[in-house]
Amino acid sequence: DVKVTQSSRYLVKRTGEKVFLECVQDMDHENMFWYRQDPGLGLRLIYFSYDVKMKEKGDIPEGYSVSREKKERFSLILESASTNQTSMYLCASSTLGQGYQPQHFGDGTRLSIL
Amino acid sequence: AQSVTQPDIHITVSEGASLELRCNYSYGATPYLFWYVQSPGQGLQLLLKYFSGDTLVQGIKGFEAEFKRSQSSFNLRKPSVHWSDAAEYFCAVGKTSYDKVIFGPGTSLSVIP
Repeated sequence: DVKVTQSSRYLVKRTGEKVFLECVQDMDHENMFWYRQDPGLGLRLIYFSYDVKMKEKGDIPEGYSVSREKKERFSLILESASTNQTSMYLCASSTLGQGYQPQHFGDGTRLSIL
Repeated sequence: AQSVTQPDIHITVSEGASLELRCNYSYGATPYLFWYVQSPGQGLQLLLKYFSGDTLVQGIKGFEAEFKRSQSSFNLRKPSVHWSDAAEYFCAVGKTSYDKVIFGPGTSLSVIP
């Protein structure tokens, strides 16, 4: 089974802090994604990466950056955390293949910015 | 632009009753369509997917979904709901470039014993 592991289930940080959310997958997947999930809005794509050191902006990249130095690890960075970034953050990965390959999700990090 | 709507924010059904969750999409070509389920405190799990072929697709946990091109719909069904089916359900449409996905807002399902 594919395993996507997010380093923290719950995280509390203060406004202005630099915050790192880590995600690791164990299936050698090429694609990795970061979403935020808010009630009534579903999941919104922040950034994704289709290869090491490659990244693409998603639908809501403002206030975030990402890093992918190794294939298995994809980090989301909040450069200067703000209260409107309080949310559930979900990481996902998928492989390249013939046709569309479904995404596998981690259990999420619930981030609170005070 | 692609979009996914789920008209029902919250649905309550009795255990053993049938279930249908609605999903409508907007997409110019033949879409890749998915249903995911999120149990409390967990990530999303793929229930089923439609790429092409038979418009009635079977998934895990006894779920099925039917693709209707004329109605731009991909509704999820289950003939008899179990208490463990209480969760959030997300419909999604896939883009072909780099496998990005657009998610709907979700439908929360409660099951009465």
